[in-house]
Amino acid sequence: NAGVTQTPKFRILKIGQSMTLQCTQDMNHNYMYWYRQDPGMGLKLIYYSVGAGITDKGEVPNGYNVSRSTTEDFPLRLELAAPSQTSVYFCASSYDSYYNEQFFGPGTRLTVL
Amino acid sequence: AQTVTQSQPEMSVQEAETVTLSCTYDTSENNYYLFWYKQPPSRQMILVIRQEAYKQQNATENRFSVNFQKAAKSFSLKISDSQLGDTAMYFCAFMTQQGAQKLVFGQGTRLTINP
Repeated sequence: NAGVTQTPKFRILKIGQSMTLQCTQDMNHNYMYWYRQDPGMGLKLIYYSVGAGITDKGEVPNGYNVSRSTTEDFPLRLELAAPSQTSVYFCASSYDSYYNEQFFGPGTRLTVL
Repeated sequence: AQTVTQSQPEMSVQEAETVTLSCTYDTSENNYYLFWYKQPPSRQMILVIRQEAYKQQNATENRFSVNFQKAAKSFSLKISDSQLGDTAMYFCAFMTQQGAQKLVFGQGTRLTINP
């Protein structure tokens, strides 16, 4: 199993550009999450999904959109990139029961200039 | 809303020493879950240890153990016989038992193990 994979690993965007961060998991997990990690800080939840076709906002959803058309994929869309979105983005997945470990991808480092 | 606070931004110890990382949290719930995650320079988030709030017994995983004080809302991580590979950022995280499984993270503690 590859686990949780994310692409790209690094990206530089200009202000106002858009992009999609890709996330795929091969563990048949129903729950998937997107977090951002600002320098020197902990992770904050952007959006999450409890299954295909079901998504909901987390703590910091403004400026982002998500979709979940399959169990495996959970892309994160940035519209009109802003410098405040410079961060490291992590995707994670877990089984649909409490106490279960969230498995994290390797992260995408995004810089908006 | 739940909050998680790690009051030690950085810590440094010598190899083979024991080190304790502090974590406090705020919640009005009675049942919840607590986690410690490790983030080495590779940036990969790795689960170190977890604790269910209804369990009085402190969790242990090899050299890693926790001191869970529910009344004080404290969840510290003890690393025994520290190794160079323990050098990393350590994050304390809280998960409510209600709704979706969302993690709330603390700010992190940067731990350096010196040879």
